[in-house]
Amino acid sequence: GEDVEQSLFLSVREGDSSVINCTYTDSSSTYLYWYKQEPGAGLQLLTYIFSNMDMKQDQRLTVLLNKKDKHLSLRIADTQTGDSAIYFCAESFSGTASKLTFGTGTRLQVTL
Amino acid sequence: DVKVTQSSRYLVKRTGEKVFLECVQDMDHENMFWYRQDPGLGLRLIYFSYDVKMKEKGDIPEGYSVSREKKERFSLILESASTNQTSMYLCASRSRGGGINEQFFGPGTRLTVL
Repeated sequence: GEDVEQSLFLSVREGDSSVINCTYTDSSSTYLYWYKQEPGAGLQLLTYIFSNMDMKQDQRLTVLLNKKDKHLSLRIADTQTGDSAIYFCAESFSGTASKLTFGTGTRLQVTL
Repeated sequence: DVKVTQSSRYLVKRTGEKVFLECVQDMDHENMFWYRQDPGLGLRLIYFSYDVKMKEKGDIPEGYSVSREKKERFSLILESASTNQTSMYLCASRSRGGGINEQFFGPGTRLTVL
């Protein structure tokens, strides 16, 4: 699959904003996703954005997509200790609708 | 609530053993997937199945095989386990169709091969 890169680790204080970044290499992706993995659990879909959108807001979450730079970000406002998890970006492609290509994952640590 | 269950949370096997990892989903999903998760490498797709008895290779199928005899069950088989197969294995399922690709994951099986 195509390479989807993320930084490995991010530490923020409770109440601050977190920004998790992702770069991908294939411009033909149809949807881009953010999945969350809490300790000891599988992944859960957190949010997604269609590739022809620039931004999507969902309560504390803001997704930004820059197609020109192939850059996706997830901003979490007012970060809470319950947000501590690994966050994966992922992309899907037209014609292979069942498959997802996942990023390397970013571990978010929220400190008091 | 969609539920994907995996037969074991932790498994310890010896080199050369045959290993079966089982996954069951209760939402009548057509598509099922096996991934392995390694630090710094993210999730990598091993095999997937889009129907009973159908399978397709993912990105890293070497050393693995799969079986899908019933719609709800997808098994991952390590014919002869090796130490480089020590990893977290995640199963997922998804309904057929286009649109957003929401996959539902099991809790994972942490396999250690000694």
